[in-house]
Amino acid sequence: GAGVSQSPSNKVTEKGKDVELRCDPISGHTALYWYRQRLGQGLEFLIYFQGNSAPDKSGLPSDRFSAERTGESVSTLTIQRTQQEDSAVYLCASSGVGLAGGGTQYFGPGTRLLVL
Amino acid sequence: SQQGEEDPQALSIQEGENATMNCSYKTSINNLQWYRQNSGRGLVHLILIRSNEREKHSGRLRVTLDTSKKSSSLLITASRAADTASYFCATVSSGNTPLVFGKGTRLSVIA
Repeated sequence: GAGVSQSPSNKVTEKGKDVELRCDPISGHTALYWYRQRLGQGLEFLIYFQGNSAPDKSGLPSDRFSAERTGESVSTLTIQRTQQEDSAVYLCASSGVGLAGGGTQYFGPGTRLLVL
Repeated sequence: SQQGEEDPQALSIQEGENATMNCSYKTSINNLQWYRQNSGRGLVHLILIRSNEREKHSGRLRVTLDTSKKSSSLLITASRAADTASYFCATVSSGNTPLVFGKGTRLSVIA
């Protein structure tokens, strides 16, 4: 079946503009995760959804970042008033089984964001 | 904050050699997972080892886990050029909480 998809694959924007990144998880996966990866670094957790609710938003770096999920499916990550430090690859993952139960995450290809 | 720390940060070997990467973590875990990333894009799950397991095999991959030392190792045997990628360990503490990733090991396999 189809994997996790993300759009756009690349986004170049000017500092101060808002951007919206989209994630389509694997159908039926209840958990959805957003991560950020700066060049040459590991993944930073941003936010996690269980269904349409977000039990853990602890990773969002500032109030310029927000995310929502509707219909236990698509999620959008919005960055307002982008800054150059927001430049990174934004990765989305989904899982159908709880990670502590041995489930694993399936990652999308990411959106590469460049803020000029 | 990142919990897992991989070692070494970069590794370069000849095709056919074995590659060993290590991961250390700080808090108690439910399981530990290894992922591979090509070209800075999506990650692919490789193998999962539970906290009550000590060793696990999958094809050319062997993972060990030492919970007393809070460390894990990933061994890739008979490496191939196609194994060139970044490898990350990630830990799971409980429930559906997100994976906590290290910074990764960049492996280069030279043909």
